[in-house]
Amino acid sequence: QVQLVQSGTEVKRPGASLKVSCKPSGFTFTSFAYTWVRQAPGQGLEWMGWISPNSGVTHHAQKLQGRFTMTTDRATSTAYMELSSLTSDDTAVYYCAKDRDPMAGDGFDTWGQGTLVTVSS
Amino acid sequence: DIQMTQSPSTLSASVGDRVTITCRASQSISNCLAWYQQKPGKAPKLLIYKASSLESGVPPRFSGSGSGTEFTLTISSLQPDDFAIYYCQQYRTYPRTFGQGTKVEIK
Repeated sequence: QVQLVQSGTEVKRPGASLKVSCKPSGFTFTSFAYTWVRQAPGQGLEWMGWISPNSGVTHHAQKLQGRFTMTTDRATSTAYMELSSLTSDDTAVYYCAKDRDPMAGDGFDTWGQGTLVTVSS
Repeated sequence: DIQMTQSPSTLSASVGDRVTITCRASQSISNCLAWYQQKPGKAPKLLIYKASSLESGVPPRFSGSGSGTEFTLTISSLQPDDFAIYYCQQYRTYPRTFGQGTKVEIK
């Protein structure tokens, strides 16, 4: 079964850092690129960034510049996102998703279950 | 960045209705557009890619059309399972922006 499994719920203090993992199963990790999307409570979907495990090339949202990092570990077939200097505005469900097509992208056909992150003092 | 604008924001409809949602891009994205359905507490589900290609397993009552800057998602006969929020997303360039969503609710 093709799926992405994410790490669990996090509660963070303002100013802290966050690291979320995303582990695929049912397909070859390096065959596809991965995207991170977040959704604040009651809000829409916000694209955060994209990473290719093969090339290491990343693209990320300008608003997250400087505090958002995506990595992959080919040894463990896991994708990670890190977000630093957290504020209450970073409270959201964070999703990883995989490109439908390795070349064309064509949207995201498989999503993780989501990781709820709450930033509160 | 390419802005994606959906209309309407909310749509009230009845079972059996034909429903159309529009998505406009601030510049041409060719046919690099996907549509998703999201239900409360769940991850989005891919419905349509390449503006009009139906994802495997998605009922044929869903269809997409358009190219360039204007796109539509049509549900030919609304079913109880279709009440949800729908998002368009462009993947022509980075950042791969989403529309703000259209909520389809029961009339």
